[in-house]
Amino acid sequence: RKEVEQDPGPFNVPEGATVAFNCTYSNSASQSFFWYRQDCRKEPKLLMSVYSSGNEDGRFTAQLNRASQYISLLIRDSKLSDSATYLCVGQRDTGANSKLTFGKGITLSVRP
Amino acid sequence: EAGVAQSPRYKIIEKRQSVAFWCNPISGHATLYWYQQILGQGPKLLIQFQNNGVVDDSQLPKDRFSAERLKGVDSTLKIQPAKLEDSAVYLCASSLDQAIYEQYFGPGTRLTVT
Repeated sequence: RKEVEQDPGPFNVPEGATVAFNCTYSNSASQSFFWYRQDCRKEPKLLMSVYSSGNEDGRFTAQLNRASQYISLLIRDSKLSDSATYLCVGQRDTGANSKLTFGKGITLSVRP
Repeated sequence: EAGVAQSPRYKIIEKRQSVAFWCNPISGHATLYWYQQILGQGPKLLIQFQNNGVVDDSQLPKDRFSAERLKGVDSTLKIQPAKLEDSAVYLCASSLDQAIYEQYFGPGTRLTVT
């Protein structure tokens, strides 16, 4: 089983819709989690961190559930510019360094 | 602030040929990473440097891949000989330090092996 697994996709939603992505992780040693965004043929960029208490940034809300080992990202009032691939990322400290493990990503297309 | 620079942006080679990629991280970033991203997958870490030392190369296919960061700044990744399954985007990333989670990625090199 992969360390980080994401919902199958793609997601195709109309503008203004609310969309939620889930991601499960198998390694309880993963300590921190993030969502990265990757536009088509571009590099990944950090979108937001994920905390157990929830993390909200405008229309985006990220949540971590350690008991069930899953992470979620909620996007409200979708915009055309939200179209991208969203990567769920786990961070694990391995002694002297920390390692990021990326999920395969889920592609969101927002249509007019 | 200048971002992570990579070159070339695209490369097409035949199988069994050699290829090298170059990366210049953000100034002052001690940690440098090379990732392989196959189409439809997330980035997979190949190797991680802290300054000029290797921290993690557990997923680097060492029979054909090599990487160096001799002066602790820029880095090269080499594949010799290339296989068809090496076709991917090779992303370089850097962070201030190895304990810092935010990694800044370069634009990547898109490699096609025919």
